[in-house]
Amino acid sequence: GDSVTQTEGLVTLTEGLPVMLNCTYQSTYSPFLFWYVQHLNEAPKLLLKSFTDNKRPEHQGFHATLHKSSSSFHLQKSSAQLSDSALYYCALSPLIASSSFSKLVFGQGTSLSVVP
Amino acid sequence: GPKVLQIPSHQIIDMGQMVTLNCDPVSNHLYFYWYKQILGQQMEFLVNFYNGKVMEKSKLFKDQFSVERPDGSYFTLKIQPTALEDSAVYFCASSLGLNYAEQFFGPGTRLTVL
Repeated sequence: GDSVTQTEGLVTLTEGLPVMLNCTYQSTYSPFLFWYVQHLNEAPKLLLKSFTDNKRPEHQGFHATLHKSSSSFHLQKSSAQLSDSALYYCALSPLIASSSFSKLVFGQGTSLSVVP
Repeated sequence: GPKVLQIPSHQIIDMGQMVTLNCDPVSNHLYFYWYKQILGQQMEFLVNFYNGKVMEKSKLFKDQFSVERPDGSYFTLKIQPTALEDSAVYFCASSLGLNYAEQFFGPGTRLTVL
């Protein structure tokens, strides 16, 4: 079946250092990959989504590259900010030809804490 | 940006009682979802709903669960009767289009079954 693995439960970083949150996946088909971010007491919001043409998505300084060979979609940012502290979820949407509806399969989430 | 609201934010009930979780989706969205997150675990898909019908449901969507959106009002998840293992945060989401359209999430309802 489809699954997403985020190996780090908690990442603590000093402000200004680079961020990399890991995400690997398993899927029968070639899925779309997403990163959602959830700040404290708020709803999860879409941060990034993979493109069909292999362009690298970027938003708010974050980017992620879909590597089909290694089934990975790691999230990166060159310089962490205090406001980046949040819970980050990697998710996939399975590509099922017979279905028009895209459920999301989530990883367990990585809590990013950026400290001064 | 577009917001999904969920009412209530917290609900505590006794096992065996009925509970209804309410979701106010983004106004022009057509596709609706419920996800369940048990403490310390990942969010898991329960069900999606379109044009008045359940289109897909997971194994977690037990017979005691039902969803509806009467007359374009709230999208609801009803659990009757509740069980201890239903304690979780339930997230509602909605989307405008078909495959891979962005799903907008609500902040969740924390359900505690005693």
